[in-house]
Amino acid sequence: NAGVTQTPKFQVLKTGQSMTLQCAQDMNHNSMYWYRQDPGMGLRLIYYSASEGTTDKGEVPNGYNVSRLNKREFSLRLESAAPSQTSVYFCASRDRKAKNIQYFGAGTRLSVL
Amino acid sequence: GQSLEQPSEVTAVEGAIVQINCTYQTSGFYGLSWYQQHDGGAPTFLSYNALDGLEETGRFSSFLSRSDSYGYLLLQELQMKDSASYFCAPWGTDKLIFGTGTRLQVFP
Repeated sequence: NAGVTQTPKFQVLKTGQSMTLQCAQDMNHNSMYWYRQDPGMGLRLIYYSASEGTTDKGEVPNGYNVSRLNKREFSLRLESAAPSQTSVYFCASRDRKAKNIQYFGAGTRLSVL
Repeated sequence: GQSLEQPSEVTAVEGAIVQINCTYQTSGFYGLSWYQQHDGGAPTFLSYNALDGLEETGRFSSFLSRSDSYGYLLLQELQMKDSASYFCAPWGTDKLIFGTGTRLQVFP
């Protein structure tokens, strides 16, 4: 039972480079989320998708784009990476039928130089 | 607007009881979740309150008062492995908003 899978686990980028963080869940959940977590801080919501075909901005969407490719997959794209985007990125999916539990992936540790 | 308040840090000894308070303000509130996160790990679900009152799950209990926009997490019989960050997170519409969390350090 894989749960929520994120790739890659680690990434180093140069300023201005682009990349896509991949996320997939195998629990048939409708809702999926992207968060970032800076050292010693809480999680801040970047974007979320309440259901397949919809996406909405969270607290800190600037500099990011998302794609809900299908029910399983929700990707996060950095078009032109900046040092301020150095962070740990977590993807999550939500089980509305069971206490709204969010299941998190292991995270992607991104450094932008 | 949305706001969350939790203590930034709490310390306790093994075997003790700790209460982590949370006050929140959010639009469209329909539940309060608690998550645990160990250093270097991902958040994991602990508890969820949709209605006022106490929810008990083993050594952990969570309480909610919707009229006061207040909740707490109660950890009993503390163990070293409970050293972690704890986040209260209110559900508003389809969004779960996390605060900066409470870092719990358990000493022997």
